[in-house]
Amino acid sequence: DQQVKQNSPSLSVQEGRISILNCDYTNSMFDYFLWYKKYPAEGPTFLISISSIKDKNEDGRFTVFLNKSAKHLSLHIVPSQPGDSAVYFCLNDYKLSFGAGTTVTVRA
Amino acid sequence: ETGVTQSPTHLIKTRGQQVTLRCSSQSGHNTVSWYQQALGQGPQFIFQYYREEENGRGNFPPRFSGLQFPNYSSELNVNALELDDSALYLCASSHRAGGIDTQYFGPGTRLTVL
Repeated sequence: DQQVKQNSPSLSVQEGRISILNCDYTNSMFDYFLWYKKYPAEGPTFLISISSIKDKNEDGRFTVFLNKSAKHLSLHIVPSQPGDSAVYFCLNDYKLSFGAGTTVTVRA
Repeated sequence: ETGVTQSPTHLIKTRGQQVTLRCSSQSGHNTVSWYQQALGQGPQFIFQYYREEENGRGNFPPRFSGLQFPNYSSELNVNALELDDSALYLCASSHRAGGIDTQYFGPGTRLTVL
């Protein structure tokens, strides 16, 4: 089975600085992950994904890194903006397992 | 292109009742997945439908059931409601064509069971 864990429930960062969100997983057979962002009263919005054939994927201010040996992935947001304040989830495509989420607060 | 829509937005039921939640897929999508998100937790996968057939199920009891229609819209039915069923129910659609698909979520239905 696949378990996905986000061990940091919250993150506070100053505007313009880097936000780093982390996600760990247990089953390395299914290395395809997606990051979603969720505002209150809205459904999650797709941000960026990465598959096991890559160790990095970049899209504008968002970069996801995949470390298969450590079964770890991270999302970097540079520079952080106030509109980035939201809950971020990582999702493994197999078994559609979500982490518990990390609440990001960007301070002006 | 219309996005994923869900109805109703909010719903209040009492314990033991039955509820039906509805989801309209994004245009061109053939797969629908349902999730339950309790307060402070990540979404939990309930089940997925692909071309009107159940295509995977999470750890939810049989009183959670679903349907997908020929136009790929979907329903989630929950029988014998319990207090712990109070949650945000999310529907996501995607186009599965072999390989990985990206899911697009609706705004959710907030269910409160009293």
